[in-house]
Amino acid sequence: DAEITQSPRHKITETGRQVTLACHQTWNHNNMFWYRQDLGHGLRLIHYSYGVHDTNKGEVSDGYSVSRSNTEDLPLTLESAASSQTSVYFCASSASYTGELFFGEGSRLTVL
Amino acid sequence: AQSVTQLDSQVPVFEEAPVELRCNYSSSVSVYLFWYVQYPNQGLQLLLKYLSGSTLVESINGFEAEFNKSQTSFHLRKPSVHISDTAEYFCAVMNTGFQKLVFGTGTRLLVSP
Repeated sequence: DAEITQSPRHKITETGRQVTLACHQTWNHNNMFWYRQDLGHGLRLIHYSYGVHDTNKGEVSDGYSVSRSNTEDLPLTLESAASSQTSVYFCASSASYTGELFFGEGSRLTVL
Repeated sequence: AQSVTQLDSQVPVFEEAPVELRCNYSSSVSVYLFWYVQYPNQGLQLLLKYLSGSTLVESINGFEAEFNKSQTSFHLRKPSVHISDTAEYFCAVMNTGFQKLVFGTGTRLLVSP
């Protein structure tokens, strides 16, 4: 079955370190998204991509970057981790203009 | 730009009782509307969606939602809840010209015996 996987599922890091969260989907979807989930804020869009070599900023993109070198992967990089980036991060993908997103199980990041 | 308001952060209810989770949206153009569900320690799953046609949409596990354009609402209802319905529910909206979903802040449904 097609799926979307995130790794690592849990990570603890220190302020100032670079962190990369991986996202891999086997749906062959063009669209991929990164959200962060925080209590009281719901899900907020960080970055998204509509295809290979396409990346776009979401509403909370400061301090994050993504690259899309193939259809399957959209890694999320925190260039210099900050305590405010402690959160649960969700990757998602979708096939078309229907809005139906398929989510990974999340990556819990703690920045000390 | 679109926005979604879920006024209730938490809704406690007894098993077999009815429930309504409220969702209101704001948009100057036509939209698609969605409800997603998140069970503990999992990612989100699509529960139901309104794209066009009948304003009443249903899910396979007994939930339904009605699109009300005049009230800009898309409330989620279930006539009789189960313990297994305990989860967080997110309403989301998308402009029909774009592919980004905007989520509400979520409503935690707590079903007790």
